[in-house]
Amino acid sequence: AQKITQTQPGMFVQEKEAVTLDCTYDTSDQSYGLFWYKQPSSGEMIFLIYQGSYDEQNATEGRYSLNFQKARKSANLVISASQLGDSAMYFCAMRELLTGFQKLVFGTGTRLLVSP
Amino acid sequence: DTAVSQTPKYLVTQMGNDKSIKCEQNLGHDTMYWYKQDSKKFLKIMFSYNNKELIINETVPNRFSPKSPDKAHLNLHINSLELGDSAVYFCASSPDRDSGQPQHFGDGTRLSIL
Repeated sequence: AQKITQTQPGMFVQEKEAVTLDCTYDTSDQSYGLFWYKQPSSGEMIFLIYQGSYDEQNATEGRYSLNFQKARKSANLVISASQLGDSAMYFCAMRELLTGFQKLVFGTGTRLLVSP
Repeated sequence: DTAVSQTPKYLVTQMGNDKSIKCEQNLGHDTMYWYKQDSKKFLKIMFSYNNKELIINETVPNRFSPKSPDKAHLNLHINSLELGDSAVYFCASSPDRDSGQPQHFGDGTRLSIL
């Protein structure tokens, strides 16, 4: 079974600085996908970024980038120039591809607090 | 325009009651999901439907019964509610059942059992 590990229960960063949220995964599949979702205090789940296991380039979406190190099985989220609105829970998830269908397996999340 | 919408947003009820949560997506996706987020924020899949067909049932108690009248709707009915059912329930959808496309989530339904 696949597993996602987020070792940082909480992280603090000052506004305008960069922050890295860690995510490691465990899988024996050759084809898989990694996702990051943001959950603000209002509760909704917002998709941020996706990295496929065969993608050669690290994914980027605006201020978000994914530092994908396949050999180390890590997929860390980097948020550049943090903003107060980035304060939220962040979840790393892996697409588990079973026979003809997929499901997401989530990590336990990291709570990010951005201070002025 | 709301992509994945769930109703109600909040649901407070007594133990033993039966309740339903509705979910609709207007993205034209084929696959829909129900997830449960517990008090520690851990998210776990419960069910997945593809074109109205059940494809994932993650050992959820029989008291939980999903129903998909068409591929744009996936409702969750819960019988004989228990204290442990208190959680946030998220509906999600994806274009199809085995691609790398992200799942889009609704805003969640916070269920509280008294």
